[in-house]
Amino acid sequence: GIQVEQSPPDLILQEGANSTLRCNFSDSVNNLQWFHQNPWGQLINLFYIPSGTKQNGRLSATTVATERYSLLYISSSQTTDSGVYFCAADGGATNKLIFGTGTLLAVQP
Amino acid sequence: GAVVSQHPSRVICKSGTSVKIECRSLDFQATTMFWYRQFPKQSLMLMATSNEGSKATYEQGVEKDKFLINHASLTLSTLTVTSAHPEDSSFYICSAEQGGNEKLFFGSGTQLSVL
Repeated sequence: GIQVEQSPPDLILQEGANSTLRCNFSDSVNNLQWFHQNPWGQLINLFYIPSGTKQNGRLSATTVATERYSLLYISSSQTTDSGVYFCAADGGATNKLIFGTGTLLAVQP
Repeated sequence: GAVVSQHPSRVICKSGTSVKIECRSLDFQATTMFWYRQFPKQSLMLMATSNEGSKATYEQGVEKDKFLINHASLTLSTLTVTSAHPEDSSFYICSAEQGGNEKLFFGSGTQLSVL
């Protein structure tokens, strides 16, 4: 099955800094999504992005499907951005998402 | 957006008992739901795919007799952890697929603690 890896595993930022999170996947994908898991465990869907670029406020994401990676950009980070960021991908015809290893982000005031 | 409700949010049980977790799609019909488990500081691991009106499909290494899944309607899937043991303690999360929508929507999770 598809393998999904993320980097860096941990990231500490000062409030206001920008960051880039990376997701590598081992096979072509039909579905790729980025999630933010808050401290209470709730997964928030950030982007559905199997290819191309999308932006939503301070967040944007780019997936280069031919090179099998996706990037999540966080600009002007805030303490509320803290948490774990996951990307998840599915290489088949279903929505059976396989999650990456996650990036633990801590934004300090 | 679509809402998935998961209940209970937290449960503590004695070893040997069974626990049922419910996952409901509140404002859409979900022909397919997925169950994940997450150990502390780890990623989500897919356990099984739940299809309405048919048997669930389990991932390799997941005991189907241990983790019973029922998807009796288009808005409800249940996961029953049978004869729970302390090693079953984990965070369980469900997700639902809305027809025609590639996004998956996740419940808020259930923290299971087996004493």
